Amino acid sequence: DTGVSQDPRHKITKRGQNVTFRCDPISEHNRLYWYRQTLGQGPEFLTYFQNEAQLEKSRLLSDRFSAERPKGSFSTLEIQRTEQGDSAMYLCASSLVSGSTNEKLFFGSGTQLSVL
Amino acid sequence: AQTVTQSQPEMSVQEAETVTLSCTYDTSESDYYLFWYKQPPSRQMILVIRQEAYKQQNATENRFSVNFQKAAKSFSLKISDSQLGDAAMYFCAYRSTGTASKLTFGTGTRLQVTL
Repeated sequence: DTGVSQDPRHKITKRGQNVTFRCDPISEHNRLYWYRQTLGQGPEFLTYFQNEAQLEKSRLLSDRFSAERPKGSFSTLEIQRTEQGDSAMYLCASSLVSGSTNEKLFFGSGTQLSVL
Repeated sequence: AQTVTQSQPEMSVQEAETVTLSCTYDTSESDYYLFWYKQPPSRQMILVIRQEAYKQQNATENRFSVNFQKAAKSFSLKISDSQLGDAAMYFCAYRSTGTASKLTFGTGTRLQVTL
């Protein structure tokens, strides 16, 4: 088991461009989360999926953000028309939720986005 | 909405010594979960310890233990016999019960471990 993988590790883009990040969760994990972490802050919840269904989105997720998890496996997070305020680290986490077991999140190493 | 406050931006401890990191939170809920996560330079968040609010007994994991004071809404982390590998950012986090893992994190404490 290789853990949660995120690609790319770093992304530099110009304001107004679109970017897409990918997250590969641990195999057979049915939940997948996206968090955003800005400099000097803790991560903030953005959205999560149960299998392929996106069950909740934070108010932080503006219309320029869209996330997908086709077939309940990997997920992508796209930001359209990037703004400098989008500069942050985007963290993905996955978990296996089954019955009454306590949910434990496994995080990836994040994608660091810099918008110039 | 819940809030989590970590008032110590940085802490330092000598190897083999003990250090305590502070965390307070605000909630109107009676049942919830609290966590401490470690974020080393690799950026990957790693769960250190977890506490369920309905449990009065403080959680322990090897050298890590918590002091959970529900009435005071305080949740401190004690690291005993500190090791160089403990150096990292430590985040306190809150989660409501009955929901997915929508964690509310504090701003973190950077722990330095010196020889």
